[in-house]
Amino acid sequence: GDSVTQMEGPVTLSEEACLTINCTYTATGYPSLFWYVQYPGEGLQLLLKATKADDKGSNKGFEATYRKETTSFHLEKGSVQVSDSAVYFCALSDPGYSTLTFGKGTMLLVSP
Amino acid sequence: EPEVTQTPSHQVTQMGQEVILRCVPISNHLYFYWYRQILGQKVEFLVSFYNNEISEKSEIFDDQFSVERPDGSNFTLKIRSTKLEDSAMYFCASIWREPYNSPLHFGNGTRLTVT
Repeated sequence: GDSVTQMEGPVTLSEEACLTINCTYTATGYPSLFWYVQYPGEGLQLLLKATKADDKGSNKGFEATYRKETTSFHLEKGSVQVSDSAVYFCALSDPGYSTLTFGKGTMLLVSP
Repeated sequence: EPEVTQTPSHQVTQMGQEVILRCVPISNHLYFYWYRQILGQKVEFLVSFYNNEISEKSEIFDDQFSVERPDGSNFTLKIRSTKLEDSAMYFCASIWREPYNSPLHFGNGTRLTVT
C-alpha cells in the first residue's frame, strides 16, 4: 500500500537558518503530494501541494518539488523564523481521491 | 474563514466506557472524515462519510467505531467500548467535494486518553 516516510525530529534550528525536511513516498500510480503544518494547539493546515512530477509547491517561503525519479518531496525554506516552529507532515493521496496517507510528522523548533 | 470545530479538546475516559467525539464541519462541505494520531505515530485515516453513509473505512475502523451525522451540522465518532490503545488525537476533517481539488480542512483535534 501507499506509505510516506519523513525524517525524524525534532529539528532544532536558529532563526534565519536553512531548513530541509526530507520526505519520500511509496505509491502506485501518480499520487498528489502535500505538506501539512500543525502549529501548537491548532489543527492541520495545508502548507503546499504538488499534483504532478516536477511541480513545485510553495507557500510562506516554503517550497517542495515533486521528484518522481527519487519519489521524494522534500520541504525547504531558506530562512526560518521562530513562528515556523510547528510539526510538519508530509502526505499523499491517490489521484482523484481525498483520503490522505500521512508520514509521522517532523517537529521543527526555531530559536531566536 | 470558516473552521472545522471539534469538542471537547481533551477527553479522559475509563477503559470499557463509550465515548463520543463531536465535530462541526464547515457548513457547505459534503464529505467528512475522521483521522487519528497515536502519540509518536503517523496520522491514520479512519473513515470517510458522504450522503449519510460511510464511503470508505480503514481496517482500524472496526465494529467498535461508528459515525453519525445526527443533524445538519454535527458529525460524531463513537467508540463503543474504549481500549487503552484507543488513546490518541482524533482529527475531524471536511471537504466541499471530491475528487481532490481543494484541501481538507481539519479541526484542532480531540485528545482522547483512556485509563
